[in-house]
Amino acid sequence: QVQLQESGPGLVKPSETLSLTCTVSGGSISSYYWSWIRQPPGKGLEWIGYIYYSGSTNYNPSLKSRVTISVDTSKNQFSLKLSSVTAADTAVYYCARGGSPGYSSSWYAYWGQGTLVTVSS
Amino acid sequence: DIVMTQSPDSLAVSLGERATINCKSSQSVLYSSNNKNYLAWYQQKPGQPPKLLIYWASTRESGVPDRFSGSGSGTDFTLTISSLQAEDVAVYYCQQYYSTPPFTFGPGTKVDIK
Repeated sequence: QVQLQESGPGLVKPSETLSLTCTVSGGSISSYYWSWIRQPPGKGLEWIGYIYYSGSTNYNPSLKSRVTISVDTSKNQFSLKLSSVTAADTAVYYCARGGSPGYSSSWYAYWGQGTLVTVSS
Repeated sequence: DIVMTQSPDSLAVSLGERATINCKSSQSVLYSSNNKNYLAWYQQKPGQPPKLLIYWASTRESGVPDRFSGSGSGTDFTLTISSLQAEDVAVYYCQQYYSTPPFTFGPGTKVDIK
């Protein structure tokens, strides 16, 4: 059974860079697309972007200038960096796996538990 | 971007009764070459990540009770809970994965017990 676990600081100062890592266990990171999705407290879901195990990426245009997603296949991990954060970036950040191998347009059957990141000085 | 809307915002249904949630996309999510609707449904309970219920608009995820069903095509979709159970109290989201970027979610529908 594939499991995903987010890790990283729960508090980030305004204008700094948010950095999170998702560790995948119970399966290989190969062959799938891996995404970051966030949810501000009490609000809906926003897709941030995805990365393929080969390293190709696609980002939400609304965040593209500030987002970098990378992958480390040797550690079965992928990571999110979001720069120049403001209070509007306060959210629960989820990592998730695409539903079908090699298929970028997909649903999400596997999610991490999520990690709350608060942007505050 | 494809904009997803849901109705109603919330609903309260008696135990054992039917709950119906609607989802509408601002453009068709039906891909003509494979005749598939790129639409998924999720259930989210407080403090938990979303749980996939339905993909391809009507394919139930493994392990999801058969009281959950999805229907619709093109721009209009429905999630039906045929006989509401107490454990179905949650927020339900639709998601389109037809166009990228970005994949987009509906705003959610909260389901409660009447």
